[in-house]
Amino acid sequence: GAVVSQHPSRVICKSGTSVKIECRSLDFQATTMFWYRQFPKQSLMLMATSNEGSKATYEQGVEKDKFLINHASLTLSTLTVTSAHPEDSSFYICSAPSTGAHEAFFGQGTRLTVV
Amino acid sequence: AQSVAQPEDQVNVAEGNPLTVKCTYSVSGNPYLFWYVQYPNRGLQFLLKYITGDNLVKGSYGFEAEFNKSQTSFHLKKPSALVSDSALYFCAVRDGADKLIFGTGTRLQVFP
Repeated sequence: GAVVSQHPSRVICKSGTSVKIECRSLDFQATTMFWYRQFPKQSLMLMATSNEGSKATYEQGVEKDKFLINHASLTLSTLTVTSAHPEDSSFYICSAPSTGAHEAFFGQGTRLTVV
Repeated sequence: AQSVAQPEDQVNVAEGNPLTVKCTYSVSGNPYLFWYVQYPNRGLQFLLKYITGDNLVKGSYGFEAEFNKSQTSFHLKKPSALVSDSALYFCAVRDGADKLIFGTGTRLQVFP
């Protein structure tokens, strides 16, 4: 099946710094990627949809200036958490969409800890 | 709006016993339903899906799910649980924009 690779799997950063998370589709082209955030013991919350060649679409309540999303090519989408704060600590997961009869494919997730 | 509900936060079952993780859905039109499993600090792994066709869907690792239109349910089942099945399970429905709407998740704990 299709593979989505997410990197890094784990990152610790200091408050005020920025962190970039990459999501790559390894064997297919993805015009759309979804970015989710997961709090401990909770479900996945959709943050935004990245679109190749156009601006990302953010869900209500998600700060687009804080969570910068770029879909630079058909195989790469990035999420940058800017000026990170401890409350941004979470598990972030990217996903290529489910289309037709196909299931969605997920990256391995990134555990972000802001200290 | 499409939604799914997982009424149980946690399900406990003894190894070797059958397990059921419940999911009900609310959709307009025909539902596209999925089950995913998540191990600690990992992404989601696909288990099975219902798109159309047979109501009983067989998936990975011996799991299956039954689509029940009259009860709007899509419960996940396995005849004989393994300790290694212990994980977090998510039911999801696909919306019109190809996004997955997830349930709140059910933690399955299988005891030896």
